[in-house]
Amino acid sequence: GDSVTQMEGPVTLSEEAFLTINCTYTATGYPSLFWYVQYPGEGLQLLLKATKADDKGSNKGFEATYRKETTSFHLEKGSVQVSDSAVYFCALPSGGDKLIFGTGTRLQVFP
Amino acid sequence: DSGVTQTPKHLITATGQRVTLRCSPRSGDLSVYWYQQSLDQGLQFLIQYYNGEERAKGNILERFSAQQFPDLHSELNLSSLELGDSALYFCASNLGTTNEQFFGPGTRLTVL
Repeated sequence: GDSVTQMEGPVTLSEEAFLTINCTYTATGYPSLFWYVQYPGEGLQLLLKATKADDKGSNKGFEATYRKETTSFHLEKGSVQVSDSAVYFCALPSGGDKLIFGTGTRLQVFP
Repeated sequence: DSGVTQTPKHLITATGQRVTLRCSPRSGDLSVYWYQQSLDQGLQFLIQYYNGEERAKGNILERFSAQQFPDLHSELNLSSLELGDSALYFCASNLGTTNEQFFGPGTRLTVL
């Protein structure tokens, strides 16, 4: 069945460091791909999305490119801030409308 | 603010009890989804309603049930609660024509 695999966390970085959070997927066809972010004590917010192969989603300095050759959708940011500390989830729709999520990767950014 | 509201924010109850979680979708959204987030299971899809009808079911226990009312708000009923039901329960909504979902702030359920 469909699945999403994310790198284990936590990821600990200093402010202004480069961020990569890996996400690979298994799916039938070419579904849309999403990154959601969960700040402490809050619900999930859509961070960015890509709807087809080679699409690049971007928002708030974060980017991810839909790579069908490697079935990946890695999240990147050139310079992280303390305010980026959160849990990041990679997700895809499966079996209709429901979303399946990766296990989440906690990012901790220190000044 | 996603526009999806959930009440209550926190709920503490005892084993064997029954609780109801409420969700109001974004204005205009017809589809409501319920997810459970726990430390051991991660984020799991429970159930989806579209315009009052059940559309999809995930790993939802028989002790759990949901419904969507004519005004499109939804309720998730959890009964015969066990310690393992302690989790964050999220509601999400969308128009039902796209995959993108908008999440509420969640209800944290603690079963003692």
